[in-house]
Amino acid sequence: GAGVSQSPRYKVAKRGQDVALRCDPISGHVSLFWYQQALGQGPEFLTYFQNEAQLDKSGLPSDRFFAERPEGSVSTLKIQRTQQEDSAVYLCASSLAGVQNIQYFGAGTRLSVL
Amino acid sequence: KNEVEQSPQNLTAQEGEFITINCSYSVGISALHWLQQHPGGGIVSLFMLSSGKKKHGRLIATINIQEKHSSLHITASHPRDSAVYICAVRWGGNQFYFGTGTSLTVIP
Repeated sequence: GAGVSQSPRYKVAKRGQDVALRCDPISGHVSLFWYQQALGQGPEFLTYFQNEAQLDKSGLPSDRFFAERPEGSVSTLKIQRTQQEDSAVYLCASSLAGVQNIQYFGAGTRLSVL
Repeated sequence: KNEVEQSPQNLTAQEGEFITINCSYSVGISALHWLQQHPGGGIVSLFMLSSGKKKHGRLIATINIQEKHSSLHITASHPRDSAVYICAVRWGGNQFYFGTGTSLTVIP
């Protein structure tokens, strides 16, 4: 596709449920980023991949958050045992190669934990 | 703590007005990114710059490294420019740190 695609667009989960959010980056983009955006706030960095390697996961808020990109293209952000404070928009971005290139963002997945 | 501050937080302008949105940061940076976010929509990258000035259409971004300050200017504003404008900076490493955004409304 032409842009970064995320699915689902909206996800409602019961507290304690596990969720998986998918990101399809722009074809050929080496770098992939995940961000969390709480209501009324700017995005906050979660993790960064270069190809299949997770180079930085310092922004993941707890060990309930896990991200993977096994073949260096599609990425999945998994949240286990969701809590209400996990409710946010999760944004994925990709760039051609590394943080020095412009990042192209997906439309995000809005997660609501009840 | 490294910080990114934007001003104003909210801005309303009449169509045709010249608009300036400001971004200040606390320590020297590797790069600064201006982004546009429409309500319910995704984020679009406008500019990435580390020095000087960039122009694209009616948008101009400037950065003053010594003063740790960047501005985004919109000339001849239009209602379709209504969006949240976000400044993000990278100090080094892989992380971009985002401001909370400036919500712009342009009235016809």
